[in-house]
Amino acid sequence: GAVVSQHPSRVICKSGTSVKIECRSLDFQATTMFWYRQFPKQSLMLMATSNEGSKATYEQGVEKDKFLINHASLTLSTLTVTSAHPEDSSFYICSARDGRGVQPQHFGDGTRLSIL
Amino acid sequence: TQLLEQSPQFLSIQEGENLTVYCNSSSVFSSLQWYRQEPGEGPVLLVTVVTGGEVKKLKRLTFQFGDARKDSSLHITAAQPGDTGLYLCAGAGRNAGNMLTFGGGTRLMVKP
Repeated sequence: GAVVSQHPSRVICKSGTSVKIECRSLDFQATTMFWYRQFPKQSLMLMATSNEGSKATYEQGVEKDKFLINHASLTLSTLTVTSAHPEDSSFYICSARDGRGVQPQHFGDGTRLSIL
Repeated sequence: TQLLEQSPQFLSIQEGENLTVYCNSSSVFSSLQWYRQEPGEGPVLLVTVVTGGEVKKLKRLTFQFGDARKDSSLHITAAQPGDTGLYLCAGAGRNAGNMLTFGGGTRLMVKP
């Protein structure tokens, strides 16, 4: 089945640090990847849609200069949380969809980000 | 904006009991997915339903898509402790990006 790898799985860093999270589709090409944020005991909230070779589409209320997204290839999208602060601490999850037809999204294992 | 209401939010039952989780919307979805998520991990796809009225079975799990493709249900028969987790329904819209709209999730705890 489709596999999505997300790295790192956990990050603990000081306030003001920028953190990069990678999302890779391992056995398929993903023209579109999605980045979600999930708070404890809550559902997933879509942050942005990452399109290969073009700018990401951000959801309302998500700061594009705070959460930089780069989708440079058909198998890799990155999310960089710039100058992270404690309120950015959360569980970030990416997903990818096989570019062929209408297929379900497959999710990475998430990144637990803790800003001290 | 498409909204997907999922109920119940939390369910605690004894091993062997049956349960049903519901997802309802006023919007029509091109497809609907059910995921199960364990703490600290990403959601794992259980099933995708596409056709109105469709019923899919996955061992003790039965998924149904409403005739109008606005609602769906997940029924678990004889629940086991291993079924414990967060169950998420997600509807795919008809927009170009085929983005998912997630329900609020149902946290299931099955006690031995």
